[in-house]
Amino acid sequence: EADIYQTPRYLVIGTGKKITLECSQTMGHDKMYWYQQDPGMELHLIHYSYGVNSTEKGDLSSESTVSRIRTEHFPLTLESARPSHTSQYLCASSGSIGQEEGYGYTFGSGTRLTVV
Amino acid sequence: AQTVTQSQPEMSVQEAETVTLSCTYDTSENNYYLFWYKQPPSRQMILVIRQEAYKQQNATENRFSVNFQKAAKSFSLKISDSQLGDTAMYFCAFMMSPNSGYALNFGKGTSLLVTP
Repeated sequence: EADIYQTPRYLVIGTGKKITLECSQTMGHDKMYWYQQDPGMELHLIHYSYGVNSTEKGDLSSESTVSRIRTEHFPLTLESARPSHTSQYLCASSGSIGQEEGYGYTFGSGTRLTVV
Repeated sequence: AQTVTQSQPEMSVQEAETVTLSCTYDTSENNYYLFWYKQPPSRQMILVIRQEAYKQQNATENRFSVNFQKAAKSFSLKISDSQLGDTAMYFCAFMMSPNSGYALNFGKGTSLLVTP
């Protein structure tokens, strides 16, 4: 079944640790996104990718980095985690049908990160 | 930049009743897409309904329908025959331009509680 997977589901780590949040999709979607969801549930775009070897920063400044070496994989890395990074991180992907956009945004289940 | 405003942080409705969630947006574009997403507690974000701005007909998906007023830049969601499973955060979203990778710009959300 086509889907988008995020691991881990929950993560508690100490300050200063390097972490990578994994996101993989099996739908062959060209576009992928990372959103940060704050405790008030507001969603902020932090990174997106048009396709392999393309990454862009979103509206919200983030100390994280992303890579897109394979179509299906879009990991997010924090080199040195801080308590201010505590949040839920949602990964999403979308494809297009012909020249038509606006279809099929699929979200992962999210990673809830707590930095202590 | 496009902004999406959901003016109702919380709403409550009794089972089997009808509720309307409001959403307004601001854009200078003429062609765009609008969405309503549902995020149940601790569960995956899922698409409820989408609307193409160039279509005047309001979108409908079973018990969910929208009232799209393009001139007023309004996009409200009506849930008929509310069910307990409709309890969730509801996000209105605007699809941004190709320059932003067709990413979604979300409102702050409306928390809907359906009571027995």
